[in-house]
Amino acid sequence: GAVVSQHPSRVICKSGTSVKIECRSLDFQATTMFWYRQFPKQSLMLMATSNEGSKATYEQGVEKDKFLINHASLTLSTLTVTSAHPEDSSFYICSAFLRGYNSPLHFGNGTRLTVT
Amino acid sequence: ILNVEQSPQSLHVQEGDSTNFTCSFPSSNFYALHWYRWETAKSPEALFVMTLNGDEKKKGRISATLNTKEGYSYLYIKGSQPEDSATYLCASRGTGNQFYFGTGTSLTVIP
Repeated sequence: GAVVSQHPSRVICKSGTSVKIECRSLDFQATTMFWYRQFPKQSLMLMATSNEGSKATYEQGVEKDKFLINHASLTLSTLTVTSAHPEDSSFYICSAFLRGYNSPLHFGNGTRLTVT
Repeated sequence: ILNVEQSPQSLHVQEGDSTNFTCSFPSSNFYALHWYRWETAKSPEALFVMTLNGDEKKKGRISATLNTKEGYSYLYIKGSQPEDSATYLCASRGTGNQFYFGTGTSLTVIP
């Protein structure tokens, strides 16, 4: 149980275009989803916390107009990288969280974005 | 943002050896400490969620301990096997419900 599907797994786009990444919880309702970004040899950097039906909470230094997050239902959160530039090339991964004292995170497989 | 650090960054051990890694985290505003195993081409998989000072958890040959007062956790692998090769991540959960990850320890077990 607790499967999270993320896609696309890999996307190459041209500079200036927008890219949407989807994160779905397949067999549970995720009230909270987190979006992370990973640069080579660095840790998973929390970008934003997405709660169903409300605006995402962005971490300091993450541009909310650049990285649009929508959590319209209990099973779907999307991250849209708007007007992508080569410096946005990175690995993006989502995770879903079931509220609970000891609940772990359930991760998607990640998306490798390359902006040319 | 919480500063979570892991050491060593990478580790090569022989099959059958036992090994351990460290995760250090700020002890203030602590809520829980998570360990994940991340194999290549897969998604991170939860190993342990620990909350109480002195907690010890075990799953097969893998175990973990937690010291919330000094802000560290150890992950131990007994009798390492090639299938244990992966990156091991720890994450600190603060009272604000966010999770902050360390850079991970990359383990390679040599047959």
